[in-house]
Amino acid sequence: SQTIHQWPATLVQPVGSPLSLECTVEGTSNPNLYWYRQAAGRGLQLLFYSVGIGQISSEVPQNLSASRPQDRQFILSSKKLLLSDSGFYLCAWAPGLRSGYTFGSGTRLTVV
Amino acid sequence: GDSVTQMEGPVTLSEEAFLTINCTYTATGYPSLFWYVQYPGEGLQLLLKATKADDKGSNKGFEATYRKETTSFHLEKGSVQVSDSAVYFCALSGTGTASKLTFGTGTRLQVTL
Repeated sequence: SQTIHQWPATLVQPVGSPLSLECTVEGTSNPNLYWYRQAAGRGLQLLFYSVGIGQISSEVPQNLSASRPQDRQFILSSKKLLLSDSGFYLCAWAPGLRSGYTFGSGTRLTVV
Repeated sequence: GDSVTQMEGPVTLSEEAFLTINCTYTATGYPSLFWYVQYPGEGLQLLLKATKADDKGSNKGFEATYRKETTSFHLEKGSVQVSDSAVYFCALSGTGTASKLTFGTGTRLQVTL
């Protein structure tokens, strides 16, 4: 069966520090991968998606970047965190067209 | 572009009450429609889905019918439980190759004894 792993679960980082969040999927190949952010009390904002290794599409210009170095690995990064980067970050994968997503358990990031 | 509109929350109900959470959408073509649920501190879980007009998705006593004529996908449950307290998100998947989901803003449901 397919599983998605996302870590860490919680993170407290100072302003200006770097960030690396990792997401991996098991039990499937060539999934579509997604990073979403959920700000406190708000909906979900699509940040990046990838349809293959090395293919990254950005939905919103911002302080973050994403990479897909391997088929089932998706990384969210920042060189210098801002206070506004705080939120709940969710990774998701989809096996194909219009199939819906399976989400990871999320990372709660607090920038202080 | 694609968009999803959900009723504002929070929705507060007594246990065993009937639940309706309204969801309408705007999209080109024939999107797939989804309801996700998010329990406190957790990621989102797929609750149910429908991929074509008049399809009814159902799971755990929840159901929703894909109404193309009214561009709606309202979530219903006949008798809610305290354990149903969560945030519910309506979403659609358009016809693009990336299968991006567009979410509504979420509706918080609080069920009390």
